[in-house]
Amino acid sequence: AQTVTQSQPEMSVQEAETVTLSCTYDTSENNYYLFWYKQPPSRQMILVIRQEAYKQQNATENRFSVNFQKAAKSFSLKISDSQLGDTAMYFCAFMKDSGGSNYKLTFGKGTLLTVNP
Amino acid sequence: SAVISQKPSRDICQRGTSLTIQCQVDSQVTMMFWYRQQPGQSLTLIATANQGSEATYESGFVIDKFPISRPNLTFSTLTVSNMSPEDSSIYLCSANRGPKAFFGQGTRLTVV
Repeated sequence: AQTVTQSQPEMSVQEAETVTLSCTYDTSENNYYLFWYKQPPSRQMILVIRQEAYKQQNATENRFSVNFQKAAKSFSLKISDSQLGDTAMYFCAFMKDSGGSNYKLTFGKGTLLTVNP
Repeated sequence: SAVISQKPSRDICQRGTSLTIQCQVDSQVTMMFWYRQQPGQSLTLIATANQGSEATYESGFVIDKFPISRPNLTFSTLTVSNMSPEDSSIYLCSANRGPKAFFGQGTRLTVV
């Protein structure tokens, strides 16, 4: 079974600054995907960024980037130029590459990020 | 991306009653997933619903408590049966486009 650990229950950052959220995971699988999801107070789960384990290059989506260290099983999220709208709960998630359609997710406990004006 | 409509968005229910949550996807998907998010907690998978077969439940979840229907490739329902206050949670459905999951808006259930 896979486990996902987010060791920071809460974090805060000033608007326009950079913040890094940590995530580690444990798996015996070699082929998998890692995700960061954002959940604002509206409850909607929003995909922020995805990383394929077979790719060495770190994924980037605009202000969001990851530092993926496969050997260390670490997957941190960096948010640059933080905006008030980034305030949300952030979940790190693991998905085994089953090769079919049974792509179920294992989530970490989440990090509540607050962006202060 | 996939658009998933989930309803109701919230409900307050009496203990001992049942609530059925519906999810409609804007296109056909093979698998749909149901998650529970207890207050202040992360998401936990309840079951995986495949069209034409019984749902597969995760450890700690049983069909009698959380019956699931999957009548076609765009629709699924989750029923929370014989509710107790411990069932107060957010329930979310999910579907995939390959290895990318999309979620409904969630149902906030309060059992009194």
